[in-house]
Amino acid sequence: EPEVTQTPSHQVTQMGQEVILRCVPISNHLYFYWYRQILGQKVEFLVSFYNNEISEKSEIFDDQFSVERPDGSNFTLKIRSTKLEDSAMYFCASQEGKYRAGELFFGEGSRLTVL
Amino acid sequence: GQNIDQPTEMTATEGAIVQINCTYQTSGFNGLFWYQQHAGEAPTFLSYNVLDGLEEKGRFSSFLSRSKGYSYLLLKELQMKDSASYLCAVREGGGSGNTPLVFGKGTRLSVIA
Repeated sequence: EPEVTQTPSHQVTQMGQEVILRCVPISNHLYFYWYRQILGQKVEFLVSFYNNEISEKSEIFDDQFSVERPDGSNFTLKIRSTKLEDSAMYFCASQEGKYRAGELFFGEGSRLTVL
Repeated sequence: GQNIDQPTEMTATEGAIVQINCTYQTSGFNGLFWYQQHAGEAPTFLSYNVLDGLEEKGRFSSFLSRSKGYSYLLLKELQMKDSASYLCAVREGGGSGNTPLVFGKGTRLSVIA
């Protein structure tokens, strides 16, 4: 069964460093998302991406965050100058198309720990 | 604004039936989703409702009442492996199929012998 894959599974970084989280969505999917989940809290939307541009972004997705799809398969989330409060599990998700039920398929997540 | 409420924790016995409720207040409505999330793992899709009524899928059923802003997830013949968090999520918006899902805080279900 096709799945969303994410790397790395766990990254530890120092405050102020840049981090890139990578995702390979399911190949025929058109819509891509990043969500995050701080330990013990709810899953929060960061950004959605369609047709090589951002569709929507939340208040969390400020100037320190960026996304891109550099080569037609990978979908990356970059966090510049990480802060302690960026420590969370980051989930990538993809959705097949606009007019199906529209369920999101989530990757296994990348756990980011900022020290 | 958006507000999705579900109980924080529930406990049920193996073999029993449990109902997890979710109420929501959102800007527009374009579907309600239930996801299962085991500790430390990704959410996995369980069910989807966009019209009023009951959707059944094996041991899992989900109900929606749009006028009441209410849904429930019904789990039958509970098994120990059903111990997980159950996330209620709403797709807002006026008809766009890719408006982001907004998640509730989740209900942590413990199944005991």
